[in-house]
Amino acid sequence: DIQMTQSPSSVSASVGDRVTITCRASQDINNRLAWFRQKPGKAPKSLMYGASTLLSGVPSKFSGSGSGTDFTLTISSLQPEDLGTYFCQQYISYPLTFGGGTKVEIK
Amino acid sequence: QVQLQESGPGVVKPSETLSLTCAVSGYSINTAFYWGWIRQPPGQGLEWIGNMDHTGITFFNPSLKSRVTISPDTSKNQFSLKLTSVTAADTAVYYCVRRVRDRFHWFIDSWGQGTLVAVSS
Repeated sequence: DIQMTQSPSSVSASVGDRVTITCRASQDINNRLAWFRQKPGKAPKSLMYGASTLLSGVPSKFSGSGSGTDFTLTISSLQPEDLGTYFCQQYISYPLTFGGGTKVEIK
Repeated sequence: QVQLQESGPGVVKPSETLSLTCAVSGYSINTAFYWGWIRQPPGQGLEWIGNMDHTGITFFNPSLKSRVTISPDTSKNQFSLKLTSVTAADTAVYYCVRRVRDRFHWFIDSWGQGTLVAVSS
């Protein structure tokens, strides 16, 4: 199985700050990476696929980059509605696997 | 706009079979794409259980493969999950999802709201 490792496990930032989350794969996954956000008590919401392609309706303050084994998700200007836990997921091979999550909190 | 809705018992006894259904509206499951299940134990991360394609061909997580069945009911436009011989470790919120295709990318674009299943006597 491909292991996905996220860092940090949690981040606390102020409104307007730039926040970056890292995801590392245990082997080359090309750009077969997706990002999700989960708000407390809610189902995850899909944000991005192909490491950098936003799903329809996802605001452009979210951006993604990377290829191979190292990826980042950036929130350009943190807002209160962005709080939650962010997960990465590889889909290049079965079983599909997720990172452990990064909890984003507002200071 | 596709919508997915899980349903099933909230409590299952140890050693019994967990059965859930995902009702789909806004898209026919036998047209295209993958339809699957993901679970999340309380306070923990996400675990992929398995999925089926639009013809009913299935792929499962090897860690659960011997206990899992995913099958379609095209007459009702829904698909089901069965997990046998459950233990407390199977207590989780279960989500049904759709995976769609864009060129070489098969990604999750839609999630159900999730349903909590507790394994308890």
